[in-house]
Amino acid sequence: GAGVSQSPSNKVTEKGKDVELRCDPISGHTALYWYRQSLGQGLEFLIYFQGNSAPDKSGLPSDRFSAERTGGSVSTLTIQRTQQEDSAVYLCASSIPGQFHEQYFGPGTRLTVT
Amino acid sequence: RKEVEQDPGPFNVPEGATVAFNCTYSNSASQSFFWYRQDCRKEPKLLMSVYSSGNEDGRFTAQLNRASQYISLLIRDSKLSDSATYLCVVGSGDSWGKFQFGAGTQVVVTP
Repeated sequence: GAGVSQSPSNKVTEKGKDVELRCDPISGHTALYWYRQSLGQGLEFLIYFQGNSAPDKSGLPSDRFSAERTGGSVSTLTIQRTQQEDSAVYLCASSIPGQFHEQYFGPGTRLTVT
Repeated sequence: RKEVEQDPGPFNVPEGATVAFNCTYSNSASQSFFWYRQDCRKEPKLLMSVYSSGNEDGRFTAQLNRASQYISLLIRDSKLSDSATYLCVVGSGDSWGKFQFGAGTQVVVTP
């Protein structure tokens, strides 16, 4: 079946512009996670959703970052006024209820801020 | 101090040899532990969960030491296909959906 998909796969943007990243989880997966991975670094937790609600937003780096999920499915991560330090691979993952640890990752969006 | 720390490696391992490495975590309230595998420029994939009593999955053995707050992964009879970065993942004791990933340990299996 279809896995987690993310778009765009690559995004180059100028500093100061807003970007929107999209994640389409596996059908039926109620939990959805956003991480980012900088070169040579581990995954940094950003936010997770259970259904459409986000119980833990503590990982969002600043108020320039926001995320939403609608219909218990697609999620978008928005970064406003991008900075060079936002450059990273943004990974989305989803999991089924009760199996939160078994996260299925998408291929990621590589964001480059110039 | 990072919540989850790993030796970045690389661990260079001859094919057929055994390699083992640890991961330490700082939150004593952590309840769940896992190993993920990430191939170069690919997304992470769950390798195995880590149980208190230790567990095996084929050539892979994972162990948890709560007293010293570390988990370990041992790979026996290494294959070339085992070359990857192994990510230690710890479930937060505070928030069920929040997982802390280590930066990974790189393993390179050589012929």
